[in-house]
Amino acid sequence: GAVVSQHPSWVICKSGTSVKIECRSLDFQATTMFWYRQFPKQSLMLMATSNEGSKATYEQGVEKDKFLINHASLTLSTLTVTSAHPEDSSFYICSARVGGSGANSPLHFGNGTRLTVT
Amino acid sequence: QKEVEQNSGPLSVPEGAIASLNCTYSDRVSQSFFWYRQYSGKSPELIMSIYSNGDKEDGRFTAQLNKASQYVSLLIRDSQPSDSATYLCAAVPGGQNFVFGPGTRLSVLP
Repeated sequence: GAVVSQHPSWVICKSGTSVKIECRSLDFQATTMFWYRQFPKQSLMLMATSNEGSKATYEQGVEKDKFLINHASLTLSTLTVTSAHPEDSSFYICSARVGGSGANSPLHFGNGTRLTVT
Repeated sequence: QKEVEQNSGPLSVPEGAIASLNCTYSDRVSQSFFWYRQYSGKSPELIMSIYSNGDKEDGRFTAQLNKASQYVSLLIRDSQPSDSATYLCAAVPGGQNFVFGPGTRLSVLP
């Protein structure tokens, strides 16, 4: 069964509004979660690493003030797309490593959130 | 720069054939390697992991790792149309963040 739960699975919003996406680890604690974005027919792009109890680490070119990440508990990380614009329309996927942070711990993905900004 | 390279495809094989997916990585300190399958419009799902040189078999899937050549492959035996998807190779340099390849699109023709 799923070990990472993501909600909502899809969302349509108007330009200028904000959207919050939730990512939960099921039956395990995740001190670190990862947020990816994927545009059509392109590869996964890591946006940021979410750390429980501390600030997220953003990849180069990702605006931290636009993509707000909060990792308030060991089982929940949220990504808020603020002032969304049509170019933010994409497939957002969260993930977490099951079994700790060791090299052999696999990454499991949530089902993803398809965001469409009109 | 840490990179993982894959042939983007599409790779087309007839039903029942063996599909061979290849991946190379640039960072020699990479210790762990993973294969993910991603259906169109869905998120990636883990197929296999491999950490040691040699072959690792799981059902119809066999992962092969050659650290000297910095090469990882995934063989799918008795390919089925349901195997048609994009396959992502990932390396983990030094136990840190996953580095994903661009993926190879596989099409199994009935």
